[in-house]
Amino acid sequence: SSELTQDPAVSVALGQTVRITCQGDNLRTYYASWYQQKPGQAPVLVIYSRNIRPSGIPDRFSGSRSGNTASLTITGAQADDEADYYCLSRDSSHNHLGWVFGGGTKLTVL
Amino acid sequence: EVQLVESGGGLVQPGRSRRLSCAASGFIFGDYAMHWVRQGPGKGLEWVSGISWNGGSIDYADSVKGRFTISRDNAKKSLYLEMNNLRAEDTALYYCVKDEDTAMVGRFEDWGQGTLVTVSS
Repeated sequence: SSELTQDPAVSVALGQTVRITCQGDNLRTYYASWYQQKPGQAPVLVIYSRNIRPSGIPDRFSGSRSGNTASLTITGAQADDEADYYCLSRDSSHNHLGWVFGGGTKLTVL
Repeated sequence: EVQLVESGGGLVQPGRSRRLSCAASGFIFGDYAMHWVRQGPGKGLEWVSGISWNGGSIDYADSVKGRFTISRDNAKKSLYLEMNNLRAEDTALYYCVKDEDTAMVGRFEDWGQGTLVTVSS
């Protein structure tokens, strides 16, 4: 199956900008969606498709893609953004029906 | 308001079977693809299986293919996951997830709270 690679941990100073990346060959063809998960809670979708935020997601969250890398950028990180972040994309080895998550990135806001 | 309520988790011995259910409400269940996603203790998210609105398209992660079966009953607004030949590595919190189209498009806006499956002797 395809793989999506994320840095295990990233930190950012309060109010600064941070980029969380996700690498995988299938990202050259398919967009990634991004999920935020706080301890003891179900994941929350923050970005999908090219760069679309679901209702209620702050506009400091944005998404982009370049080559085989998808990125989630938080501009002006807040303490409430401290969480695990996962990318999700199609698993291109499954005849375009299956899905694969990245390993997750733990974001610490200093 | 979309609600997804999983049930059926618990302690199960290796090699045995278990059936998970997800009761949906707050939306037209038959209009959306659905998925199961799991998370092992202290681990990341793993997509397990997905099913289109009418069951015409189904797929599984390699780790469960041949052992797990996903199904749905649109009249009962319910999603199921039949898990056979369970292994210790199947121990996880299993989430029921709603997609945002009749086909699987990978836009997981609505999640249940999960049901915990523990595989141990």
